Amino acid sequence: QKEVEQDPGPLSVPEGAIVSLNCTYSNSAFQYFMWYRQYSRKGPELLMYTYSSGNKEDGRFTAQVDKSSKYISLFIRDSQPSDSATYLCAIAYSNSGYALNFGKGTSLLVTP
Amino acid sequence: EAGVTQFPSHSVIEKGQTVTLRCDPISGHDNLYWYRRVMGKEIKFLLHFVKESKQDESGMPNNRFLAERTGGTYSTLKVQPAELEDSGVYFCASSQSGRAFGEQFFGPGTRLTVL
Repeated sequence: QKEVEQDPGPLSVPEGAIVSLNCTYSNSAFQYFMWYRQYSRKGPELLMYTYSSGNKEDGRFTAQVDKSSKYISLFIRDSQPSDSATYLCAIAYSNSGYALNFGKGTSLLVTP
Repeated sequence: EAGVTQFPSHSVIEKGQTVTLRCDPISGHDNLYWYRRVMGKEIKFLLHFVKESKQDESGMPNNRFLAERTGGTYSTLKVQPAELEDSGVYFCASSQSGRAFGEQFFGPGTRLTVL
């Protein structure tokens, strides 16, 4: 069983739509939950991170963690064409030196 | 402030040859990580340096891979001899130490193609 499962998509939505991206994980020892955004030919860039169950909001982005279900989500409100990228969930725990365990990434296309 | 840089951006070599990838972390970042993404798979952890010491190298695939971090600054990852399955994108990331959780900043990656 993989540590982190993520539907790779691709996902195509019209501009202005609400986007929901999801991951599940298997190891309950994980403490930190992150979402990275990656544009083509670039390295991943951290969007948000959290370490507790519940919601964390940053502008149009909301990260949600449910530790009891081992489920994490990223919601993008009022999606823009500039949001078109690959979104990667990543999970870590301190005993591993915060080495990141990534999902495969979901490719998102927001069309004007 | 300069971000994480990696060199080369792209390398094409033949099976059996040697390749050395370089990573320059953000100045002052003690933690340096190497990751790899092979086609169709997720990005996977290779190893973690704290300054010049290897903290965790559990993700290194085999002994054809050798990572060093001289003086706790830049790092190199050498593949010798390269095999076809080593093709992929190699990312380096760095973070500050002394914090409960430090954001990892990624470089643009080195795309390695082994023919």
